[in-house]
Amino acid sequence: SAVISQKPSRDICQRGTSLTIQCQVDSQVTMMFWYRQQPGQSLTLIATANQGSEATYESGFVIDKFPISRPNLTFSTLTVSNMSPEDSSIYLCSVEIGNTIYFGEGSWLTVV
Amino acid sequence: SQQGEEDPQALSIQEGENATMNCSYKTSINNLQWYRQNSGRGLVHLILIRSNEREKHSGRLRVTLDTSKKSSSLLITASRAADTASYFCATDEFTPAGRRALTFGSGTRLQVQP
Repeated sequence: SAVISQKPSRDICQRGTSLTIQCQVDSQVTMMFWYRQQPGQSLTLIATANQGSEATYESGFVIDKFPISRPNLTFSTLTVSNMSPEDSSIYLCSVEIGNTIYFGEGSWLTVV
Repeated sequence: SQQGEEDPQALSIQEGENATMNCSYKTSINNLQWYRQNSGRGLVHLILIRSNEREKHSGRLRVTLDTSKKSSSLLITASRAADTASYFCATDEFTPAGRRALTFGSGTRLQVQP
């Protein structure tokens, strides 16, 4: 298994600002994933991040809005840029070990 | 689009009863995973069942997989109030962007009354 730490766990953000979420894993992993979960909804994949290459974004998500860094095999960041109330969600980072995907505790952002 | 659809969307039972949640999916899969999410928290991995397996047990959890019907079920026996959570199935597939990732169902909200 893996221990995945996310920061911040929760934040209230002003409209128009940006926030960077950090994800730290206790082991080296090739693939890291960022998901969004809007209130009362299921999880939607934002992007896949490999170390040393640009993240691959899913339909509806763009790099300008959700820039991702992956500087090494244990760490990644997701920035939510120019936030609006529609960005209020839980953002979760996850990693694959073996065939199992493990998740962090999530970062719950509320945009006011 | 959602790969997995879950049924029921919400389930309320008494402590001690069994809870059954179902998941259907559309494409071929390598495996199917079940997760639990307590309110506003991260996902906890419960169990992975491979496409060549039909049933798997873990403690009070029993998962079945029927690849011919493209469906899976999660059974929680002798439920407890602490089992109150949302339960999601997820399938391993290629995304529209060409990456292999989990696609999640809509989830079942389970409420276990003490």
